[in-house]
Amino acid sequence: DAGITQSPRHKVTETGTPVTLRCHQTENHRYMYWYRQDPGHGLRLIHYSYGVKDTDKGEVSDGYSVSRSKTEDFLLTLESATSSQTSVYFCAISVSSGRSDEQFFGPGTRLTVL
Amino acid sequence: RKEVEQDPGPFNVPEGATVAFNCTYSNSASQSFFWYRQDCRKEPKLLMSVYSSGNEDGRFTAQLNRASQYISLLIRDSKLSDSATYLCVVYTSNTGKLIFGQGTTLQVKP
Repeated sequence: DAGITQSPRHKVTETGTPVTLRCHQTENHRYMYWYRQDPGHGLRLIHYSYGVKDTDKGEVSDGYSVSRSKTEDFLLTLESATSSQTSVYFCAISVSSGRSDEQFFGPGTRLTVL
Repeated sequence: RKEVEQDPGPFNVPEGATVAFNCTYSNSASQSFFWYRQDCRKEPKLLMSVYSSGNEDGRFTAQLNRASQYISLLIRDSKLSDSATYLCVVYTSNTGKLIFGQGTTLQVKP
């Protein structure tokens, strides 16, 4: 258990509304990530953070923004949700095992945009 | 061509069978390799890292072939509880990102 929680776990919203997903970790890891998972695609990186206020874009960042004001929290915001953002969103942290950096995932948030 | 490719399956095998999955990757600069397991509607969980020398964890054996750019996962004596989707994951330092395959689905039947 990597001590990662996500909230909400499920959300249904309407097109055009803002949505914020929260990822919380309890073990002070520096690196945090947001992914989305869709049928026919592997997990795809949206944004990641390498420290407080330090974030960068992933491969599918359009339509998403992130913030990290505290080590333990990484927020993902959909400024104006669209149906194409219906997905399962996973947060992850990175842990160095000595031979490689391994990522561990939170339980996920299922988002439906109507 | 996708950066990480897996046969999606499904692989349907009886209990006790040995099953192997392969995964190919396109970036020769890739450095680290992993197998994750994902149960239906759950998060991916790290099954094992894959090292150049190959590694084994109980019934699971992972191997890396850098020359041919593929990774394999062998599961011996399959259990019903092994039914899941297995994700091949590759890390490349020049991008600093993990790239996930779409996964291979295994269904172990009594």
